[in-house]
Amino acid sequence: EAQVTQNPRYLITVTGKKLTVTCSQNMNHEYMSWYRQDPGLGLRQIYYSMNVEVTDKGDVPEGYKVSRKEKRNFPLILESPSPNQTSLYFCASSPLRGSTDTQYFGPGTRLTVL
Amino acid sequence: QKEVEQDPGPLSVPEGAIVSLNCTYSNSAFQYFMWYRQYSRKGPELLMYTYSSGNKEDGRFTAQVDKSSKYISLFIRDSQPSDSATYLCAMSATSGYSTLTFGKGTMLLVSP
Repeated sequence: EAQVTQNPRYLITVTGKKLTVTCSQNMNHEYMSWYRQDPGLGLRQIYYSMNVEVTDKGDVPEGYKVSRKEKRNFPLILESPSPNQTSLYFCASSPLRGSTDTQYFGPGTRLTVL
Repeated sequence: QKEVEQDPGPLSVPEGAIVSLNCTYSNSAFQYFMWYRQYSRKGPELLMYTYSSGNKEDGRFTAQVDKSSKYISLFIRDSQPSDSATYLCAMSATSGYSTLTFGKGTMLLVSP
């Protein structure tokens, strides 16, 4: 089954404790992206990657890091989480070439930073 | 002015009603327009995709784009309780891998 998986689905942590949210896709997509979704603010892009070892900032990259060492994986790293990073996070992927901008979204990771 | 404006709702309708969901935008470079549906506690899923102005129909769903007015719509005919979800519009200036700009979403509630 074609899918984007994220882990963990739920995470409660404390300020300053480094964490990683994993994202994996099995569709051989070149493009992968991370979004955060907050009430009243909608979906905002954090980082994206157009291929292995190619990453770029989205609209709200501060406080986040990413890496793309393998095509299927695109982890999101919070080196020193703060309460304002409490949010619902989505990973998405899509092919670089195609007739649509179809982005397939993962199920989401709900992060709470105390 | 925000790039993409979308009424958050909630929009409550009885089963069988025709639903109209709308977004306005300010960036005239947008050419690709999408509607995503997001159920509670799930990721968004692509519902409709259109390029430039015009209409596109898929079953009970019709997407309309009016680039001259910078206005897009999604119509749902014969709405069902299973259509209850948040609907997000999204748009981009180029195809393929470009960054999508999302509206904040409209919550739709269809009552039996």
